[in-house]
Amino acid sequence: EAGVAQSPRYKIIEKRQSVAFWCNPISGHATLYWYQQILGQGPKLLIQFQNNGVVDDSQLPKDRFSAERLKGVDSTLKIQPAKLEDSAVYLCASSLWLGPQGEQYFGPGTRLTVT
Amino acid sequence: AQTVTQSQPEMSVQEAETVTLSCTYDTSENNYYLFWYKQPPSRQMILVIRQEAYKQQNATENRFSVNFQKAAKSFSLKISDSQLGDTAMYFCAFMKPRDGATNKLIFGTGTLLAVQP
Repeated sequence: EAGVAQSPRYKIIEKRQSVAFWCNPISGHATLYWYQQILGQGPKLLIQFQNNGVVDDSQLPKDRFSAERLKGVDSTLKIQPAKLEDSAVYLCASSLWLGPQGEQYFGPGTRLTVT
Repeated sequence: AQTVTQSQPEMSVQEAETVTLSCTYDTSENNYYLFWYKQPPSRQMILVIRQEAYKQQNATENRFSVNFQKAAKSFSLKISDSQLGDTAMYFCAFMKPRDGATNKLIFGTGTLLAVQP
């Protein structure tokens, strides 16, 4: 089965610019997650979707970050305007169902560098 | 709030030997799950092993096993017969199941394991 796909793999932008990341989860996975992994730290959950509804966005900086999953499949994460501290790897993950038995499958990530 | 601590930023082990990675966590919850994830260089993060807090028996997956000490809030990973392919960043993670069933993982800072030939 195909894994979680993410694009682009790398992105370099200047501060105050905007950027968007795309994620295609494993087919049939209802739950989708976006994590931010800053260098030297573990991933931190930004937002979680169940189908096209938001389950948890408590750690999403809503003044500059937005995410959507309009048809309950693909998702995009946007940053506008970007700050230097947004430099990180953005990981997308998906799981078949909610609950701790639903193993999360991770994509390769998008490495963002803000200069 | 739950926290996960991995006190070993880097470790090294010779091929075929055994290595143990440490993880401690802080929670007031009684029911939770603990995980070890592996992130190889430039590759996807994958689940290595999962432990349910209400189970006293330590989880095992082939060469990977855990030592779960609930009272001490300790969750170490033992890798036996280390292989070159085990070289990766290893993350310990905590999950508290909640009503509404969100799968929020709380990760530690990771341990970079290098397996030497």
